[in-house]
Amino acid sequence: GAVVSQHPSWVICKSGTSVKIECRSLDFQATTMFWYRQFPKQSLMLMATSNEGSKATYEQGVEKDKFLINHASLTLSTLTVTSAHPEDSSFYICSAPLLATGELFFGEGSRLTVL
Amino acid sequence: SQQGEEDPQALSIQEGENATMNCSYKTSINNLQWYRQNSGRGLVHLILIRSNEREKHSGRLRVTLDTSKKSSSLLITASRAADTASYFCATRVETSGSRLTFGEGTQLTVNP
Repeated sequence: GAVVSQHPSWVICKSGTSVKIECRSLDFQATTMFWYRQFPKQSLMLMATSNEGSKATYEQGVEKDKFLINHASLTLSTLTVTSAHPEDSSFYICSAPLLATGELFFGEGSRLTVL
Repeated sequence: SQQGEEDPQALSIQEGENATMNCSYKTSINNLQWYRQNSGRGLVHLILIRSNEREKHSGRLRVTLDTSKKSSSLLITASRAADTASYFCATRVETSGSRLTFGEGTQLTVNP
C-alpha cells in the first residue's frame, strides 16, 4: 500500500526558534498534501492544503506567515513553524491522497514541544 | 462548524462485546470514512462508504450510512483489547476534492 513518511516524529525546541517538518509520499506522487494539527484528546483540524508548484491554501484562522508550507516536488511537502511559541506545541499530521483511489494516507505524525 | 460529530465521546467495554460508534454530519457528502488512531500515532484508514451505499462490511467492522439523517455508525464486533484506540469519522464533501473533515472522535477502551 501507499506510504507517507513524516519526519521528525518528535521535536523539542526553544521558544522563538523555527522547526521544519517533512512529509514524503514514498511510493506515489502527490500533487496535493494536507496538514493537520491535533491537540491532546481532540480531533484533527485541517490547517492547510499544500499544492505542488503553487501556493498553499490555508484554512480560516491559520496564519500563513506562521506556518510556512512548501511543496517543491511531487513527493515532498514541508511545514515550517516559524518563531515557535509554547502554544504551538501540538501533534502535526500530514496526509496525501492516492489519486487512483482517492484514499488518503497519513503520516505517523510529528509531536512538537516548544519550551 | 465541525462537519462530523461523534458519540459517544468515550466508550469502555469488555473484550468480546460489540462496540458501536455514531457519527453525524451537516452537509451533503461524497463519501464517509472511518479511521483509527492509536495514542500518539498517525491515522489508519478502516473503511470507506460512498453516499449511494447503505452498509459495508470489512472483517469485524460494519458501517452503515443514512444520508437522509446525515449519520453513520461503526460497529466493531467481538472486540479485542487491541481495538483500544480513538476512532474518527471523516467526510468528503462533493466539492472539496480529497479534503476530509474529521469528527470529534470516540475513544474506545476494550478491557481484557
